[in-house]
Amino acid sequence: DQQVKQNSPSLSVQEGRISILNCDYTNSMFDYFLWYKKYPAEGPTFLISISSIKDKNEDGRFTVFLNKSAKHLSLHIVPSQPGDSAVYFCAARNSGYSTLTFGKGTMLLVSP
Amino acid sequence: DTAVSQTPKYLVTQMGNDKSIKCEQNLGHDTMYWYKQDSKKFLKIMFSYNNKELIINETVPNRFSPKSPDKAHLNLHINSLELGDSAVYFCASSLPGLAGGVTGELFFGEGSRLTVL
Repeated sequence: DQQVKQNSPSLSVQEGRISILNCDYTNSMFDYFLWYKKYPAEGPTFLISISSIKDKNEDGRFTVFLNKSAKHLSLHIVPSQPGDSAVYFCAARNSGYSTLTFGKGTMLLVSP
Repeated sequence: DTAVSQTPKYLVTQMGNDKSIKCEQNLGHDTMYWYKQDSKKFLKIMFSYNNKELIINETVPNRFSPKSPDKAHLNLHINSLELGDSAVYFCASSLPGLAGGVTGELFFGEGSRLTVL
């Protein structure tokens, strides 16, 4: 039962262009959403988050958009850089629960 | 100075053996977790401890026994290892409260790759 889905296992983008990573969820009780970035042989690191009461949060080159009616969120990276190449995990927090539910991740490859 | 550290990083062992993975965090967090990333790449919660007390056990087989000697440490002991236990195990910590308080941010260790032959 995948409550958080990242349907694209991989994405390739050229340096300088926009990267858009997508995430869908099914649980209406999720109230907080996070993106994590993971390099090989390292643990995931927090990137950006958004509360369910907002529809956009921006931090430098990273912007997360939330569409509650569609149960969809996306991470935009502009401009993309080769150092952004990593696996990106979407995660969601259940308002009545104390852990995060993660998607399977999307591997982003930014080529020079 | 690593915030969340796990040892060992790699572990190869035979079926039926017992092994442990240690985790320590120096962030002063009250809550610690074990997550498992299996071959399908999902990161799934196994256990959560708050100030040395177990608060979440996600229907993990009782061959897995977490132990928290103090709030800075959460070790994972696995008995009678099976092939299906092969995975990367991540320790994490967070501020207390719902999934890390206000932000829900978890701080992860580097992971421990367990291979059961």
